[in-house]
Amino acid sequence: AQSVAQPEDQVNVAEGNPLTVKCTYSVSGNPYLFWYVQYPNRGLQFLLKYITGDNLVKGSYGFEAEFNKSQTSFHLKKPSALVSDSALYFCAVRDLQGSQGNLIFGKGTKLSVKP
Amino acid sequence: KAGVTQTPRYLIKTRGQQVTLSCSPISGHRSVSWYQQTPGQGLQFLFEYFSETQRNKGNFPGRFSGRQFSNSRSEMNVSTLELGDSALYLCASSVQVSSSYEQYFGPGTRLTVT
Repeated sequence: AQSVAQPEDQVNVAEGNPLTVKCTYSVSGNPYLFWYVQYPNRGLQFLLKYITGDNLVKGSYGFEAEFNKSQTSFHLKKPSALVSDSALYFCAVRDLQGSQGNLIFGKGTKLSVKP
Repeated sequence: KAGVTQTPRYLIKTRGQQVTLSCSPISGHRSVSWYQQTPGQGLQFLFEYFSETQRNKGNFPGRFSGRQFSNSRSEMNVSTLELGDSALYLCASSVQVSSSYEQYFGPGTRLTVT
């Protein structure tokens, strides 16, 4: 079965410091990986995706993610965190045994950026 | 373009009742997916519709159903509500970009079952 795991429930970072939100995946085949962010009382916003090609993917709001096939990881990164980045972050993989609109999400990681 | 809209935003129902939630996708998007979000189970896929046909279904009981209309608007219905159905229900519309789909989510409908 395909799955994603986000090993940290919460990540705390000081404003201006780099941040990393971790994600590992388990799929049979080439993964289609996504990161979404959710602000309180809001739906999910698309940040970036990896389908194929360069292992470093750049997305919205200065975020990027590094695909590592040998470690089956897709960690989200940002060089300098902002207080406004505080939110819930979800890693997701497309269910290759399902349809295009079927994503499997991790449990989410709460990012807290302190001034 | 307007984003994905969901109505109502908040709903309170009693056990045993049924409920219908509505989703209007982004103009031009033909695929609509529904997800249930709860603190315990996280985000779980309910079903996906494309051109009025259910393309895929998650592991939910038959009390959960949906449909899609010719204008791509979608509804989901939950019958015989249970306390455990209290959740945020998210709708997402999809568009194909560079050989894959990107999903755009609505703000959700917060359902509380008492």
